[in-house]
Amino acid sequence: AQTVTQSQPEMSVQEAETVTLSCTYDTSENNYYLFWYKQPPSRQMILVIRQEAYKQQNATENRFSVNFQKAAKSFSLKISDSQLGDTAMYFCAFMKHGLYNFNKFYFGSGTKLNVKP
Amino acid sequence: DVKVTQSSRYLVKRTGEKVFLECVQDMDHENMFWYRQDPGLGLRLIYFSYDVKMKEKGDIPEGYSVSREKKERFSLILESASTNQTSMYLCASSFRGPEYTIYFGEGSWLTVV
Repeated sequence: AQTVTQSQPEMSVQEAETVTLSCTYDTSENNYYLFWYKQPPSRQMILVIRQEAYKQQNATENRFSVNFQKAAKSFSLKISDSQLGDTAMYFCAFMKHGLYNFNKFYFGSGTKLNVKP
Repeated sequence: DVKVTQSSRYLVKRTGEKVFLECVQDMDHENMFWYRQDPGLGLRLIYFSYDVKMKEKGDIPEGYSVSREKKERFSLILESASTNQTSMYLCASSFRGPEYTIYFGEGSWLTVV
């Protein structure tokens, strides 16, 4: 079974600074996908960034980037120039492609990020 | 924009009641999911469906059932609600294939008293 571990239940960062959220996972699969999802206080979960395991290059989306270390099974999220709107719960997720083209997602327990003015 | 709509945001039910949570998506997604979200545990998959009338158990199906009579609608049923089912329930949907991501509804807060 796959497990996803987020060891930081809560973090704080000053506006405009950089913060890194940690995520490790355990799998015997070779082909998989990793995600960071954001859940703001309004509760709708949205995709922040996605990484295919077969790609060595780290994914970036504007102020969000990842540090993907496949051998170490580590997938951290870096948020640069933090904004108040980044305040949310962040979930790391692992996905493997399964039967019936069903994509089974495994989620970490989440990191609550508070961006302070 | 993809829209996944959960009909009830907040519900309070009594122990033993039958509870229906409804979810509708407007993007013709084949896959639909029900997750349960609890503090410190993240999201756990209850059931999923990959086609109309097709369903598969997730990681925590006990005490739940589902129904998918139409492609756009996926219902979660608590046959006899219990207090340990007090939680946030998230519906999600996606296209088939690993290149597609998953979209979530806003969630349904269920309190069983």
